[in-house]
Amino acid sequence: AQKVTQAQTEISVVEKEDVTLDCVYETRDTTYYLFWYKQPPSGELVFLIRRNSFDEQNEISGRYSWNFQKSTSSFNFTITASQVVDSAVYFCALSHQDDKIIFGKGTRLHILP
Amino acid sequence: EPEVTQTPSHQVTQMGQEVILRCVPISNHLYFYWYRQILGQKVEFLVSFYNNEISEKSEIFDDQFSVERPDGSNFTLKIRSTKLEDSAMYFCASSEAWGNYGYTFGSGTRLTVV
Repeated sequence: AQKVTQAQTEISVVEKEDVTLDCVYETRDTTYYLFWYKQPPSGELVFLIRRNSFDEQNEISGRYSWNFQKSTSSFNFTITASQVVDSAVYFCALSHQDDKIIFGKGTRLHILP
Repeated sequence: EPEVTQTPSHQVTQMGQEVILRCVPISNHLYFYWYRQILGQKVEFLVSFYNNEISEKSEIFDDQFSVERPDGSNFTLKIRSTKLEDSAMYFCASSEAWGNYGYTFGSGTRLTVV
């Protein structure tokens, strides 16, 4: 089975706090890709990161960081020093070599001023 | 930065009417996709298209849906007889090569069936 689980439906934090969005995936394949997308209130899907299954290095991009752990099938996303503009729905997603992307249900993040 | 362009951004149609959603993929991309997101829910794969034919389709993509690449630039999704439950955001995407390389989504068309 191929599945992405984002257990946190909704999170609220106060601005400047750090927040971690959890993502757990299921797959039988050894080659796969993991993604995070941001969906602001305007509705478009904003690509954040793509990681292949052979690259377990953690990644940092400004205030964003990602922790990929194959041992626990997790690909968590942390926002450091959150800002109101980070308020959005965040989707974790999985793809195999057949190219279609399987999305999780998303986590709605509210950053309170 | 190259973009996938979708038109219109919002379409309202009456139940039972046919609707065509239009997409212009990135020019050197070869693989094309449609996804759907019912309001407040997750994004779901509908169909992939390569070399002028459907590569894969989901169980959502039934006989009322069809896709076409009528010319060298457009990629369309047709819904033959719309139902209320077809109301959703529809996203087009394209990629340069197999394996999700350069996978890019358009900004979506919000379809409202009344």
